[in-house]
Amino acid sequence: EPEVTQTPSHQVTQMGQEVILRCVPISNHLYFYWYRQILGQKVEFLVSFYNNEISEKSEIFDDQFSVERPDGSNFTLKIRSTKLEDSAMYFCASSVGNLYQPQHFGDGTRLSIL
Amino acid sequence: AQSVTQLGSHVSVSEGALVLLRCNYSSSVPPYLFWYVQYPNQGLQLLLKYTSAATLVKGINGFEAEFKKSETSFHLTKPSAHMSDAAEYFCAVSDRDGGYNKLIFGAGTRLAVHP
Repeated sequence: EPEVTQTPSHQVTQMGQEVILRCVPISNHLYFYWYRQILGQKVEFLVSFYNNEISEKSEIFDDQFSVERPDGSNFTLKIRSTKLEDSAMYFCASSVGNLYQPQHFGDGTRLSIL
Repeated sequence: AQSVTQLGSHVSVSEGALVLLRCNYSSSVPPYLFWYVQYPNQGLQLLLKYTSAATLVKGINGFEAEFKKSETSFHLTKPSAHMSDAAEYFCAVSDRDGGYNKLIFGAGTRLAVHP
């Protein structure tokens, strides 16, 4: 069964550094998402992406965050200047459609900011 | 705006016992509801979904959930727990106000299964 793949599985970065998290969504999916889960907290929506543009973003997704689909397969999340509070598990998801179509999640990237 | 509440952050059952994980939703429009499972060090795996068809929804691994509009509930059940069911379970609602299928998650319920 096709799956969403995320790399790396664990990223350790110094505070203030830029980090790029990578995702390969399922190939025929059209909607792409990033979520994060801070340890012990809920899974939170960050951003959705469709037709090469952001369709919705949360309050968390400030100017330090950006997303890109640089080619036909990858979907990236960039954090420009990381903060300690960015430490979390970041999940990429994709879906074939919106509304009632289920989102399929990757295994996540654990981001640790030192 | 939609939201979900999961009652019980931890549930412990014996192997072979009934599993009941509770989820209540709040939504001003007919909701689309999902249950996901997260095994240790893995991502979120879809168990089942409710999208306004049958109110009793069957999912993978023997799980099912019943949508009850009168109770605003979507509880997850399994008749007989297996050790491999130990995981964290998340109820989620699709944010139809936003229009783009943003998922709003509950806080999760960690299921422990003991022999």
